[in-house]
Amino acid sequence: GQSLEQPSEVTAVEGAIVQINCTYQTSGFYGLSWYQQHDGGAPTFLSYNALDGLEETGRFSSFLSRSDSYGYLLLQELQMKDSASYFCAVSSGGYQKVTFGTGTKLQVIP
Amino acid sequence: DVKVTQSSRYLVKRTGEKVFLECVQDMDHENMFWYRQDPGLGLRLIYFSYDVKMKEKGDIPEGYSVSREKKERFSLILESASTNQTSMYLCASSSTGRPRAETQYFGPGTRLLVL
Repeated sequence: GQSLEQPSEVTAVEGAIVQINCTYQTSGFYGLSWYQQHDGGAPTFLSYNALDGLEETGRFSSFLSRSDSYGYLLLQELQMKDSASYFCAVSSGGYQKVTFGTGTKLQVIP
Repeated sequence: DVKVTQSSRYLVKRTGEKVFLECVQDMDHENMFWYRQDPGLGLRLIYFSYDVKMKEKGDIPEGYSVSREKKERFSLILESASTNQTSMYLCASSSTGRPRAETQYFGPGTRLLVL
């Protein structure tokens, strides 16, 4: 089966940088995704890494190390609206199945 | 824009009732998924479907069944609702092709309370 670990809560200051880590154990690994979910809202896709290295999309970057079974989401220039839960998710096996972590609740404070 | 809609935002049912949750997507996606979300447990996959009339069990299929008679519609059925099925239910869809299958588009969720 698959298992993912990420911190349950992180607090950071507006304007700062925060890194949310994710470690995983899975067989047939394809890639690591990140999703954002605001309270009461639906998860929305942020990024996907299939290869080692850093992918940048605006203020958000995502990193993957396949050899270490590890990835992270980096949020720069934090804004209050970034307060949300962030889920890492692994794609593995067939049929495009995705397994989600338990989520990291990010609180951005002034 | 991809749109995934779910039949109800809130639902209250009694123990033992049969419950139908419906999900419709308008992007011609091959894959559709049902998750439940509980505090501290993240999103757990109940069932998914990669084609019409095809279904695969996810991680927690017990007590649930699904139906996919048309490509755009994926239904989750609770045969006999129980209080431990009180949860937020999220439907998602994805394409087999571009964008990558890992990009799942979620509906707004149905918050189900079983009394």
